[in-house]
Amino acid sequence: GDSVTQTEGLVTLTEGLPVMLNCTYQTIYSNPFLFWYVQHLNESPRLLLKSFTDNKRTEHQGFHATLHKSSSSFHLQKSSAQLSDSALYYCALSDRYNQGKLIFGQGTKLSIKP
Amino acid sequence: EAAVTQSPRSKVAVTGGKVTLSCHQTNNHDYMYWYRQDTGHGLRLIHYSYVADSTEKGDIPDGYKASRPSQENFSLILELASLSQTAVYFCASSDAGQGAVERLFFGHGTKLSVL
Repeated sequence: GDSVTQTEGLVTLTEGLPVMLNCTYQTIYSNPFLFWYVQHLNESPRLLLKSFTDNKRTEHQGFHATLHKSSSSFHLQKSSAQLSDSALYYCALSDRYNQGKLIFGQGTKLSIKP
Repeated sequence: EAAVTQSPRSKVAVTGGKVTLSCHQTNNHDYMYWYRQDTGHGLRLIHYSYVADSTEKGDIPDGYKASRPSQENFSLILELASLSQTAVYFCASSDAGQGAVERLFFGHGTKLSVL
């Protein structure tokens, strides 16, 4: 079945440095939808980015990601980390044949230090 | 903004007891979901539904039942709660545009502790 694999565990960065969180996926279907959700402490997950177009960069709130179907990847990037970026980040996958199911990765905790 | 409300916000249950978690959405969405969140496992799908009076098994349905009596309401039922079911539970709703989910709207979560 479908699966999503993310950068493991905790990523700790100093404020101002670039952010890259890895996401790769597996699906037998040719037109997947990929998402990044962000969850701040004591909040619920909310959508950060989404894409279904191959090789097109999508951006929101300073973050960007590009879906690469050739490598089954959808990495999340930001040029300069801020303290407020500290949160749990989930990569997720869906496709039109999956009856509305959204499959999440295991999550990556991003911690930004001053 | 879409609204998904869960009740209760937190619950302490005894092992072997019955627990019902409730979810209500005012988004007019067809799809509703129950996920559990555990450190190291992320969000895992328990049950979901795309129409009233019908539910589907997700990836980890064992030990859980679901009920969708109306488009707005979706419940998760633990008939015999166990220690391993201690977790945070999230309800979500979505429209499945083009046949695929395009965005989930999550409730605030229910923290369940089974003792």
